[in-house]
Amino acid sequence: GESVGLHLPTLSVQEGDNSIINCAYSNSASDYFIWYKQESGKGPQFIIDIRSNMDKRQGQRVTVLLNKTVKHLSLQIAATQPGDSAVYFCAENRGGNNRLAFGKGNQVVVIP
Amino acid sequence: KAGVTQTPRYLIKTRGQQVTLSCSPISGHRSVSWYQQTPGQGLQFLFEYFSETQRNKGNFPGRFSGRQFSNSRSEMNVSTLELGDSALYLCASSLGAGKNTEAFFGQGTRLTVV
Repeated sequence: GESVGLHLPTLSVQEGDNSIINCAYSNSASDYFIWYKQESGKGPQFIIDIRSNMDKRQGQRVTVLLNKTVKHLSLQIAATQPGDSAVYFCAENRGGNNRLAFGKGNQVVVIP
Repeated sequence: KAGVTQTPRYLIKTRGQQVTLSCSPISGHRSVSWYQQTPGQGLQFLFEYFSETQRNKGNFPGRFSGRQFSNSRSEMNVSTLELGDSALYLCASSLGAGKNTEAFFGQGTRLTVV
């Protein structure tokens, strides 16, 4: 896939288990965050976003948690499925106007 | 509703040549951003256009340029291609009216410079 490097952190998870992917961001002024999923040969796919005035947001099978104190973001995927295998990126809006700064990515491998 | 469309999907160019990539945003979206994705550097912001004006620019040399048309379609151009320009070039579309709006990506154009 379009992985960001040869040494991506990899999370192997059993099908049906919950997954947690972590991300540290650097800019305390960032006020908007997005999680993306990228499968092999495809562009990043929007999963869920969160604004800095929230600390938790839930979607379908996904939850994003934001801890501004330690500048940490996490994505929780419930009941992980084989189709969840992909590289996951967190992105922060740094400077406004839709300028996103991406993390290095985390590879999730779902074991059937 | 059609998604973000990028053309072409694949390109092979020779060092020194120039290339133009195209992006058609989601209907109604006025902001188009461009990113370069490489294994070594990950996803890096190139520039963003809104209403035909460049609003933001990343840290890339002047060989990288772009423009946006009145129908919000955007093109980016890379002149005097170098081997290191080989990458996946991604376009993201968003409403753009506010500061923080969801950005949706196209499939990308895979550029190989030989």
